[in-house]
Amino acid sequence: QKEVEQNSGPLSVPEGAIASLNCTYSDRGSQSFFWYRQYSGKSPELIMSIYSNGDKEDGRFTAQLNKASQYVSLLIRDSQPSDSATYLCAVTGGGADGLTFGKGTHLIIQP
Amino acid sequence: EAGVAQSPRYKIIEKRQSVAFWCNPISGHATLYWYQQILGQGPKLLIQFQNNGVVDDSQLPKDRFSAERLKGVDSTLKIQPAKLEDSAVYLCASSLTDAGGPDTQYFGPGTRLTVL
Repeated sequence: QKEVEQNSGPLSVPEGAIASLNCTYSDRGSQSFFWYRQYSGKSPELIMSIYSNGDKEDGRFTAQLNKASQYVSLLIRDSQPSDSATYLCAVTGGGADGLTFGKGTHLIIQP
Repeated sequence: EAGVAQSPRYKIIEKRQSVAFWCNPISGHATLYWYQQILGQGPKLLIQFQNNGVVDDSQLPKDRFSAERLKGVDSTLKIQPAKLEDSAVYLCASSLTDAGGPDTQYFGPGTRLTVL
């Protein structure tokens, strides 16, 4: 049974600070890793994908992957109130496999 | 480019009734997924189609849930009979699935089902 673990939070971060979200996964065969953002009452929206060890940056977002530790993280720099949402970590075995999601971390950015 | 379309957006039924959800994927996307998201949890994959064939239905409760994707485009998900624990948001997603590498799934707005 593939599992993805996230701290459900809430994680409260002051506006302008760095928010750090973490995720661990159980299946060593996982190949593709995703972070989705989900606002209350809305569907998940992809914000980052990462496939190899190391860091990947896109604007204010940085995804980090460590396959040896089975650990994925998301950093949000210069946090804004609009970043307040639930962040879902998801993994697949690769290709077009279905996603296995964590329960999500509820992030609150305090103005 | 139009996104994934789903209908209805909301549905309220009594337990033991039947219900059906419809999904139209992004044009040209070969793979279609149905997920169930219970309040406070992440989405859980129910079934995956590639074109009109089932790739993975290992987590689909087959005694009450069924799904089809006729002609490799639209899909319907049915629950018969519904139970209280089926109350959830049902999300449809699609992906392009070319042979070039990793795939990205795009989600529709979801159907919120309440079973009373």
